[in-house]
Amino acid sequence: DADVTQTPRNRITKTGKRIMLECSQTKGHDRMYWYRQDPGLGLRLIYYSFDVKDINKGEISDGYSVSRQAQAKFSLSLESAIPNQTALYFCATSDGTANSYNEQFFGPGTRLTVL
Amino acid sequence: KNEVEQSPQNLTAQEGEFITINCSYSVGISALHWLQQHPGGGIVSLFMLSSGKKKHGRLIATINIQEKHSSLHITASHPRDSAVYICAVRAGGAQKLVFGQGTRLTINP
Repeated sequence: DADVTQTPRNRITKTGKRIMLECSQTKGHDRMYWYRQDPGLGLRLIYYSFDVKDINKGEISDGYSVSRQAQAKFSLSLESAIPNQTALYFCATSDGTANSYNEQFFGPGTRLTVL
Repeated sequence: KNEVEQSPQNLTAQEGEFITINCSYSVGISALHWLQQHPGGGIVSLFMLSSGKKKHGRLIATINIQEKHSSLHITASHPRDSAVYICAVRAGGAQKLVFGQGTRLTINP
C-alpha cells in the first residue's frame, strides 16, 4: 500500500463550490505539506505543518485553508473555488530529524478542475 | 529571478544518448534534491546531495557548492527515462524546499 495517499485523485467542480482534498500517510512523519503544480511552473507551497498544533502559510495560501486532524492526516480546503485554482495538487511528508535533509515523500496528486 | 533555475526546460534525445540536466541556485543551501515526475504525475525522490557525487544505476548526480550548480546525468538513456526531472533546494537552515520549474525529458526509441 502507498505510504502517502490522496483523495480524490480527480475532481471537477464549479466556481463557488467548497472543496476538500484529503491526505493520509503511514510513514509516521511529523511534517506534512500541500503544494500545487501548474504547467511550466515549479511546485509551489500552499501550507505546511510540522506537527498537529503547528500550521504555517506557504507562498500561495490565499484562497486555501488547512486542517491537521491527526499526525497522519492533513486536509486542504478551497472555501469558494475559482477557475485559477485549477491545478495538480500534491501532498508530501517529511521526517523532521536533523539527518533527513528534508527529503519529502509525495502522494500521487489530485487533479482539480474548476469550471 | 527564480532561486532555482533548471536547463534545459525541454530535452528530446534518442535512446542510448548521454543526458545532462542542469540546476543552478542563488542561495546558500544545506541540501539539494533531484526528483522524477512520471507521466502519470507521481513524484519520487532520486537523490539528496550536500556535496560531491552520488550514483544509482544509470543515474549520476553531482553538486558544486562553490559554483551553486548541480547536474543530473543519465547514461545509456532509455524511453522509460522519459519524465519531468525536478531540482529542489533546502536553503540554509530552512525547513522548506524551493523547487525549480522542471526539465521535461523525452527519449525516443
